[in-house]
Amino acid sequence: GAVVSQHPSWVICKSGTSVKIECRSLDFQATTMFWYRQFPKQSLMLMATSNEGSKATYEQGVEKDKFLINHASLTLSTLTVTSAHPEDSSFYICSAAKLAGGGMNEQFFGPGTRLTVL
Amino acid sequence: LAKTTQPISMDSYEGQEVNITCSHNNIATNDYITWYQQFPSQGPRFIIQGYKTKVTNEVASLFIPADRKSSTLSLPRVSLSDTAVYYCLVAENSGGYQKVTFGIGTKLQVIP
Repeated sequence: GAVVSQHPSWVICKSGTSVKIECRSLDFQATTMFWYRQFPKQSLMLMATSNEGSKATYEQGVEKDKFLINHASLTLSTLTVTSAHPEDSSFYICSAAKLAGGGMNEQFFGPGTRLTVL
Repeated sequence: LAKTTQPISMDSYEGQEVNITCSHNNIATNDYITWYQQFPSQGPRFIIQGYKTKVTNEVASLFIPADRKSSTLSLPRVSLSDTAVYYCLVAENSGGYQKVTFGIGTKLQVIP
């Protein structure tokens, strides 16, 4: 199988601070990783696509200066929530794309990070 | 962008077969259909993926008609641990990798 980890699994921070969330593909290399956000009782919302060695591609409405993404290696992508505010409290989930047969990429999801901003 | 439509919720008794149907009328020729399962406060878990006809693995079966405008996830003999949200996704080709859009999903409640 393919395993994706996230760290930390949960974090509580004060308003105005920055929080970094790590996403790692443990047993495969991922040139592409995705970051999602999920509010209670809602579906996952794609925030950005992270490509190794290049700038991330953000979805419409997602502030790139607030949600900094760095994909420095083939196994690690980080999401930094800068100057976090209570409305940023959410469940953040990453996924890593693994090349499968027929040109398809399978996405494997991390366990998620629960962010609570006080 | 292919949009998917699923029932918001379903109930089933333990041991029953559950079929969840998803509509994706605007599916493109190169799109694949993927189903994920999500438990509360966890990341989605891959269940099954297909392009057409029928796909079966150790967990589920996926039925896709010839027009590919819908698909049905079949879970045989569900147990209480199958209570979760099930998402039907249509993969969108974006620059060589697959960007997917999650719909609202189907909340399956298995009843003892």
